[in-house]
Amino acid sequence: DTEVTQTPKHLVMGMTNKKSLKCEQHMGHRAMYWYKQKAKKPPELMFVYSYEKLSINESVPSRFSPECPNSSLLNLHLHALQPEDSALYLCASSQRTWTSGRHEQFFGPGTRLTVL
Amino acid sequence: GQQLNQSPQSMFIQEGEDVSMNCTSSSIFNTWLWYKQDPGEGPVLLIALYKAGELTSNGRLTAQFGITRKDSFLNISASIPSDVGIYFCAGRDSGGSNYKLTFGKGTLLTVNP
Repeated sequence: DTEVTQTPKHLVMGMTNKKSLKCEQHMGHRAMYWYKQKAKKPPELMFVYSYEKLSINESVPSRFSPECPNSSLLNLHLHALQPEDSALYLCASSQRTWTSGRHEQFFGPGTRLTVL
Repeated sequence: GQQLNQSPQSMFIQEGEDVSMNCTSSSIFNTWLWYKQDPGEGPVLLIALYKAGELTSNGRLTAQFGITRKDSFLNISASIPSDVGIYFCAGRDSGGSNYKLTFGKGTLLTVNP
């Protein structure tokens, strides 16, 4: 099973709202990622969790708050977003065992976020 | 930061034709990945490459890890309408983080039936 699931599929929110994006994988992967993708552009890395601990924050504004409750789940909490934050938000996961030499990242279907 | 040059930017082909696209980097990579993305969906991994010179196939798709370790190629044979989408190359810099992939800007493929 190489599936990463994300909910919701679509989300529309106002600039004063608080919402959360959810991601789940059951591949036993211990690294999980959040990416932001604008139309016809490549994904941009936002956060990386390794063994449920935040390993990389790519200087993302604090209105985006990630959380990794356990090895299978990844959340992205959103608050006071701006219209320019509208994008496709992708979750991905990969093996954490670098000795295997495997670095494939498996992506979920994404959440299409629109900020009004 | 690291840049990947992916070309062509877009392709318009007839069904049944073969397709080639490539990515080049300015530094040595130890991993090359090829993804396909349909509109409104997440990227789907097509092929992963880990050794210089490695040639790997997945159905009608064939990808190669360049022997200089600075490039990779993806070929699609006998294209069909469902091949339409954006193809991204991605790689891991040999001197970079285990977590970070550098992505090319994508090749938009259109297949005319």
